[in-house]
This record gives sequence, structure tokens and C-alpha cells, in this order.
Amino acid sequence: QKEVEQNSGPLSVPEGAIASLNCTYSDRGSQSFFWYRQYSGKSPELIMFIYSNGDKEDGRFTAQLNKASQYVSLLIRDSQPSDSATYLCAVRGGTSYGKLTFGQGTILTVHP
Amino acid sequence: DAGVIQSPRHEVTEMGQEVTLRCKPISGHDYLFWYRQTMMRGLELLIYFNNNVPIDDSGMPEDRFSAKMPNASFSTLKIQPSEPRDSAVYFCASSPHLPGGSPLHFGNGTRLTVT
Repeated sequence: QKEVEQNSGPLSVPEGAIASLNCTYSDRGSQSFFWYRQYSGKSPELIMFIYSNGDKEDGRFTAQLNKASQYVSLLIRDSQPSDSATYLCAVRGGTSYGKLTFGQGTILTVHP
Repeated sequence: DAGVIQSPRHEVTEMGQEVTLRCKPISGHDYLFWYRQTMMRGLELLIYFNNNVPIDDSGMPEDRFSAKMPNASFSTLKIQPSEPRDSAVYFCASSPHLPGGSPLHFGNGTRLTVT
């Protein structure tokens, strides 16, 4: 079992729709959860982080965490073509505090 | 803040040659990470340091890879001898220490091609 799993996609949504990205993790002791966006040929950039169960909103982005189910998601409202990128879920803490493990990433395409 | 600085941006070398990648983390960050990214394997953690001390090097592929952090502002990743399968983008990242964890800040990466 991979430590962090994501559906690789590609996920295609029309402009203006809600994009939903999902991630599961195996280490129940994980403490912090991150979503990064990576454009082709660029480095990952942080979108959001979440530490507690529930929802966290930042503009068009909402991160959701359910530690009991070991599940974290990212919702992108009013998707724009500029949101087309690979979205990486990352998990930190647990058995190895400092280590940050990434999922394989989900490719998102927003078409006009 | 200049961010995490990596050099070189691109490196092309022949199989068997030594390759050294360099990283300057953000000042004040306690953690430094080296990742490798390929299409097949995604972002893989190679090694990370805390206060200049290697904490987990279980991701280092084999003895050909070595990493050092002689001080808080500099780290190197060395591959000797290099092989074509080492071709990838190598990212350095740093983070401060915060309770509960903190996000990583990535450099622009070094694209390594071994022919």
C-alpha cells in the first residue's frame, strides 16, 4: 500500500464547475496535510494546508480532512483554465515527524 | 526573501561522470529536503536534514548517491558515478519547524540528463 494515494486522472471539468480532488493516506498518526499545485516544468507551490478535522476555506479553494477515514480532499470552485495543473497531496508527521510524503498527483484540466 | 536557491538549473553529463547539485535553503529554516521527480515515480523523498543532521536517508537509491549539509545555508547532493536512470528533476526544499508540521518551500529544481 502506498503511503499517500491519489487518483492520477486526468480529471477534466468545464470552466466554472467544481473540481474535486481526493487523497488517502496510510499513517494514522499523520498530523499535517498539504495541497500543492505544479505547472508543467515548474516546482510545486503550496495552495493550502490543514491540520484539524473539518473544512478549511481559502478563496475558491476548500480543503477537507477526515482523520478517522484517513482522507483529505481539495475542492476548487469556479474552476478556471489557469487551474489546469497537477495537484499533489502531501502528508507530514506520524511515525517520522519531519518527513513529508507526496502522492503521485492528479492531473486537472479545465476546459473553456 | 530569495527563496530556496538551487544550482545548476540544467545539467547534462555522460554516464560515469560525477554530478554535484547544490542548494541554499531559506534562512532560518531548520529542515532541508532533497526530492527526485520522474514521470514514472512522481516526487520521491531522497533524504532530509534537521539542523544540518541527516535524519532519514532511506530514499537514497544506492551508494552512488550521497548528500551533505556542512552548514545551515548549504547542502549538496552528489551522484558518483552517474547513470542514465538518474535522469530526473531534483528538487531541494526547506521548511521551518512549527508544531504540527509546516509546509515545504521548493527551489526551482535541477533538471539532470545523463546520456
